[in-house]
Amino acid sequence: EAGVAQSPRYKIIEKRQSVAFWCNPISGHATLYWYQQILGQGPKLLIQFQNNGVVDDSQLPKDRFSAERLKGVDSTLKIQPAKLEDSAVYLCASSLDLEQYFGPGTRLTVT
Amino acid sequence: SQKIEQNSEALNIQEGKTATLTCNYTNYSPAYLQWYRQDPGRGPVFLLLIRENEKEKRKERLKVTFDTTLKQSLFHITASQPADSATYLCALENYGGSQGNLIFGKGTKLSVKP
Repeated sequence: EAGVAQSPRYKIIEKRQSVAFWCNPISGHATLYWYQQILGQGPKLLIQFQNNGVVDDSQLPKDRFSAERLKGVDSTLKIQPAKLEDSAVYLCASSLDLEQYFGPGTRLTVT
Repeated sequence: SQKIEQNSEALNIQEGKTATLTCNYTNYSPAYLQWYRQDPGRGPVFLLLIRENEKEKRKERLKVTFDTTLKQSLFHITASQPADSATYLCALENYGGSQGNLIFGKGTKLSVKP
């Protein structure tokens, strides 16, 4: 069974630029999550989708972050404009039940 | 709001010994608690889930306990091996959140020396 795919793996941008991350969850997993993991911290949930609907986006900085999950499968997370403090690993996860399956993450560096 | 504390940032043990990692929480008792393993440059990998009505759960060399009175979970790795070296994350159900919504601790970095 293929795991959660994410791209790109690494991205370096300057502050105020925009960036987008892509996630393809495990086939059949209705729930998809985006997390932000800052170095030395645990993952922090940004947004949770159930199929193509948003279930929880309470910790998503909506002035600069947006996410969508068209057709209930793939998802994209966008940051516009980026700030220095957005430097982190962005993890995508999917689940069928309570256990979550994570992708390898995208390491974003904002300079 | 819920706070999670994992006993230490780093734990060093000798191969063959039992590693014990601690996860304490401060507020409500969650309906379930999960443990994940994370290797450098990779996403977390699910290990075990334990529910509030379960005292203990085992999987091969892994054992998790859940004490809702102490507000604590212990994660044990018996007969530890260098390959067990990784960061271990504790995650709690986010009470009031949607199903599957988790709050993660900072993790404990385990190093097993040969």
